[in-house]
Parts: sequence; structure tokens; C-alpha cells
Amino acid sequence: GESVGLHLPTLSVQEGDNSIINCAYSNSASDYFIWYKQESGKGPQFIIDIRSNMDKRQGQRVTVLLNKTVKHLSLQIAATQPGDSAVYFCAENRANSGYALNFGKGTSLLVTP
Amino acid sequence: NAGVTQTPKFQVLKTGQSMTLQCAQDMNHEYMSWYRQDPGMGLRLIHYSVGAGITDQGEVPNGYNVSRSTTEDFPLRLLSAAPSQTSVYFCASSSTGARGDLRVRQYFGPGTRLTVT
Repeated sequence: GESVGLHLPTLSVQEGDNSIINCAYSNSASDYFIWYKQESGKGPQFIIDIRSNMDKRQGQRVTVLLNKTVKHLSLQIAATQPGDSAVYFCAENRANSGYALNFGKGTSLLVTP
Repeated sequence: NAGVTQTPKFQVLKTGQSMTLQCAQDMNHEYMSWYRQDPGMGLRLIHYSVGAGITDQGEVPNGYNVSRSTTEDFPLRLLSAAPSQTSVYFCASSSTGARGDLRVRQYFGPGTRLTVT
């Protein structure tokens, strides 16, 4: 069944604002959490990952926060740009599942001028 | 590098027909996999391979076959297409080894949109 889910199916933000996309998970055995971006008509693109023994990781304009107490994951995008408009998926990799990724349903981010 | 390539981009099949979706990668990745994506859904794992000659089933393997004779190629075969297999299919690859962060950084192809009538 679904163990990785997203709080909102769509999110609309103004250009220049910060975006926060949330994700909940249920499996405590998850080893890695990963965010992917999927633009219309394209395959998913890796953004950032975080290991379960961390609570924060930063990349270029993106930050992922992991709260293991409430089993919650978020992706923050700073100074959102029109090119950030896409569907964002969180995924988990469980320690005993090898390479398999379990994806959530996705949040559609729309950046308005 | 071309990365992960998939052919064809679009395909329409009639129920009962068979076909092969092609996937190739030029990054020398040992791990390759196939996902399907249905409207409003995340991606679901069909089959995967950790190296030439080694394949295994994912979450939704029924109706699909795979083989891995080379590191570069990982074709997905539909033996007898059904309308329930109408979907967008993505192939992905990643490095193998002890580093988990490399394992989860999977590179996806552009997808094949399949319609079965």
C-alpha cells in the first residue's frame, strides 16, 4: 500500500517567494528519502536526497528537512522561479529493498509571475 | 553522454499484440529498472536488474518480461497487451556499490507513452 504520501496535490506560489512541499511517510525502515522533479513530458530528475540519520540537507536553492519523530519530509525551494514549475515527488528507499524506490503521488507546483 | 534513452516515444497497440520497449544507457550503470506512471499516480516499479544476466520483479511485474544481456540495454517486453497496460513507461539507471546515495540517484529516460486499445 501507499506509504509515502503528499499533503497537497497542487501548490501555487508567486515568483520570488519560497516554496515548501511536504511529504509524509510511514515506514521507519526507510534509509534514504529522495526528491525528484518531473517537468511536463519528461522523466523525473533527481533533486536532492537525505539519509535517515540526518535532519537537514541543503543544495542549490533547495533544502530538505526530515523529521523522524512525526515521519515528515519537506522540500523547500528558495526564490522560486518559473522554471521550478513541475510535479515534485518524494520517494523512499528502504534499507532491505536494494535499489527500489517507493514514490509518492506527487505535488504539482505552479509558479505565477 | 546521452544518458538514458528510450524508444519509441509513443506507441499504440491493439489488445493482444506484443511489443518491446527499448532502454539504453551509456553511463556504465549496473542498476537498471522499469517504472510505469499512471495519471495522478507516482511511479511503480515493474522489473529491475543489478547487472547483466540478473533480473528481478518489482511491485507490478505481471504482463511484462525483461532480460539483461548487456550492461547498456534493458528491454521491457509486453507479451499480450491489455488496456490496463496503457501508461507512461520510464526506464532508470544508477550506480551500484556500497554508497547508498549513489544508489538512490536514479537517472530516468524521457519515457514511452503506450496506449492499448
